[in-house]
Amino acid sequence: KNEVEQSPQNLTAQEGEFITINCSYSVGISALHWLQQHPGGGIVSLFMLSSGKKKHGRLIATINIQEKHSSLHITASHPRDSAVYICAVGPNSGGSNYKLTFGKGTLLTVNP
Amino acid sequence: DSGVTQTPKHLITATGQRVTLRCSPRSGDLSVYWYQQSLDQGLQFLIQYYNGEERAKGNILERFSAQQFPDLHSELNLSSLELGDSALYFCASSVGVSGGAKETQYFGPGTRLLVL
Repeated sequence: KNEVEQSPQNLTAQEGEFITINCSYSVGISALHWLQQHPGGGIVSLFMLSSGKKKHGRLIATINIQEKHSSLHITASHPRDSAVYICAVGPNSGGSNYKLTFGKGTLLTVNP
Repeated sequence: DSGVTQTPKHLITATGQRVTLRCSPRSGDLSVYWYQQSLDQGLQFLIQYYNGEERAKGNILERFSAQQFPDLHSELNLSSLELGDSALYFCASSVGVSGGAKETQYFGPGTRLLVL
């Protein structure tokens, strides 16, 4: 079993829809990261969170530490949101604190 | 633009060869991380350097090595290349040392390596 599981693997939406991507992890963490990878390959860090909720524009990320679960929401989705969204965790285990472990990503396609 | 630069953008080589990938971190960042992204494995952490010193190792093969120079740029050396080494190689940087723990990493555009 992977330490970080994402669902769904693929998601197709119509422009304007509310989107949710889920991430579950099995280890104790110090922080969880959401990354966006554009079709050209570049990776951008969207959020880093260790508790609660963060919002940036139309993007909202939440985390429940007790349930080891995080969600990334996109409100009023747009075709330019089409990308792979990757969840990554920074373990809370001594010397391995420096290593991010990644989920396999969710491919989001937003159709106009 | 993240401020992290990687060269070359694309690299095509043959099995058994050796290549060097180069990364320059954002101005002021002391940590450099190397990642491999293949279709079947996703993103995997390879190695981290902080201010010239190796700080953490992940799933890095013995055929691969890296170093960080005094000007903080880093190089990832891949030798005795195999078909399975074909992947995207990303470099990222951060200010401090705790790249997994509560610190944002800034990713370079990646180097696409194809081994034929």
